[in-house]
Amino acid sequence: DAGVTQSPTHLIKTRGQQVTLRCSPKSGHDTVSWYQQALGQGPQFIFQYYEEEERQRGNFPDRFSGHQFPNYSSELNVNALLLGDSALYLCASSLADYGYTFGSGTRLTVV
Amino acid sequence: GIQVEQSPPDLILQEGANSTLRCNFSDSVNNLQWFHQNPWGQLINLFYIPSGTKQNGRLSATTVATERYSLLYISSSQTTDSGVYFCAVDIGTDKLIFGTGTRLQVFP
Repeated sequence: DAGVTQSPTHLIKTRGQQVTLRCSPKSGHDTVSWYQQALGQGPQFIFQYYEEEERQRGNFPDRFSGHQFPNYSSELNVNALLLGDSALYLCASSLADYGYTFGSGTRLTVV
Repeated sequence: GIQVEQSPPDLILQEGANSTLRCNFSDSVNNLQWFHQNPWGQLINLFYIPSGTKQNGRLSATTVATERYSLLYISSSQTTDSGVYFCAVDIGTDKLIFGTGTRLQVFP
């Protein structure tokens, strides 16, 4: 049973560029959430997708956007990258009230 | 908003020792999970425990929802237990709010 898979694992981008991160949920899960974890801190909620729509959003600017596909996989897009966007980006999938399963994350470095 | 505080912030143990990690939260929750984040960043789900007690091998957890706290017990600690332990709560808003974390180091 495959867990949550994320790609790529590492990424280096230049300020001002755009980036797309990808996530495939655990088999049977229909909800995908994205979190940002800065160094030394706990993960912060970005947004959640269910039935291909954004259901909930945290305190992140519109530069952060996402998408969910009919097969429940998801993308996180970040435009106009800033140095402060450097972080570990975690994807979590869930089904109803059975808790969240996290992927290994994508480590984004903005230079 | 809800506050989630963990203690202690740092813990250093010798292999074989037991430990208790605590998570206090300031409001009622629908869901509480304990995670272990390994040195590579992977968040590993340890327990889904909005209330009651669960055990899995050397680990066990207890959540007393009425008193707004949860405890994670680690017995006979091993070097592979090192990392950061997070509790995270969901207050019914479909998002997890993470605690401040406990950094555990286990030495041989």
